[in-house]
Formats: sequence, structure tokens, C-alpha cells
Amino acid sequence: NAGVMQNPRHLVRRRGQEARLRCSPMKGHSHVYWYRQLPEEGLKFMVYLQKENIIDESGMPKERFSAEFPKEGPSILRIQQVVRGDSAAYFCASSNVRTSYEQYFGPGTRLTVT
Amino acid sequence: SQQGEEDPQALSIQEGENATMNCSYKTSINNLQWYRQNSGRGLVHLILIRSNEREKHSGRLRVTLDTSKKSSSLLITASRAADTASYFCATDDTGNQFYFGTGTSLTVIP
Repeated sequence: NAGVMQNPRHLVRRRGQEARLRCSPMKGHSHVYWYRQLPEEGLKFMVYLQKENIIDESGMPKERFSAEFPKEGPSILRIQQVVRGDSAAYFCASSNVRTSYEQYFGPGTRLTVT
Repeated sequence: SQQGEEDPQALSIQEGENATMNCSYKTSINNLQWYRQNSGRGLVHLILIRSNEREKHSGRLRVTLDTSKKSSSLLITASRAADTASYFCATDDTGNQFYFGTGTSLTVIP
């Protein structure tokens, strides 16, 4: 029974390139959350998605960042034209119902921008 | 900001001792959760306490919540080396998102 899966685990990009981070929720979960953890800081909410819908993107930077959770396949967090400040660990979490407060976290993707 | 703040930032204890870490937040909450993060790994949910609860236990974990002081504490009894990790509190008011603090780094020395 696989938990939340994220890939890649580590990603290195040069400035200006695109980064695509993938998250496969736990089986049966239809809610996905993305968080960013900057070095020496706590996690910060970015976006909350259900299948084919963005529910809350209030934590998402207005430019260069986008997220999707298609009907089939993993959720994707996409960062265009990456900058050094995007270097961080990106975690996704999933839950099974709207009112479930227990989120199950993936291992994270560590993005390094050189 | 709703962000929780953990105290202390770092804690180092001997194996077998108890570890206490605290979390303060700023506004009313529906619930508060504690998570553990081992180095280089994802977050693991430890325990959830609702705003109408004052204390909750789970194994060697004891969580208290004082809504009048807007604070919570996590007590780990009889600590083990495997408890070495960062511990985060997270608060929620809308159910859409959680607000995480910066964490307490716990080191348990064998």
C-alpha cells in the first residue's frame, strides 16, 4: 500500500530552466496539497487541488508557478524560468475527503537551482 | 499571520529523558497538529488535537492545548535515539490549508 509518492527526489536546474515536480497521492485520495520548505524555515502552503480543480492557490506565487491535478495521472507543480530563490524542498500531501484534517505527506522533492 | 512558532528552536537531551517542545499561534483555530520530519524525509503526522480538547495521548506522546494562551505543548516521554528529528506544529482555521511553524530540532543522545 504505497504512500504519497513524489518524483524526482532531487532535481537540479539551471537558472531559466523549467522544473516539473510530480506527486501521486495515496490510493483513494482525491485531494492534493503542495507545500514549500525553504532552508531553515517551516513549511508554507502553496496550493490545494482536487481532481481537475484548483481549490485554493492563495499561497502560490503569482508568476512562474502553476499546478494541476488531471483526471488521470499525478499532480504536477510546474515552475517556469527558475531562479536561485526557488531552491527549496517541495512537499505534497494528500487526503481523502474535504473535511479530513489528516494529510499524508510525501518524501519531498529537493530542487536546487544553480 | 496564523503561523505557529515552536520553542525551543533546538533541544538536545539524553536517551531516556523527556522532551518538551512548545508551539504558540496567533488566532483562533479549529485544530492543531504535530508532525515529525526526519532529516531528508517527508513529514509524518503524529497527533491532532481539536480546539475543544485540552489533552491527548498517543503512546509516548502527550499533547496539551491551551486556547486561552494560544499555545500547545508536545511531550515525548522516555526519549529514544530514533526520536531525533524536527517537530512542527501546524494550525488550521479553514480546513483548506495548514500553517506550519519553523520547527524544533530534537537530538536524542544515546
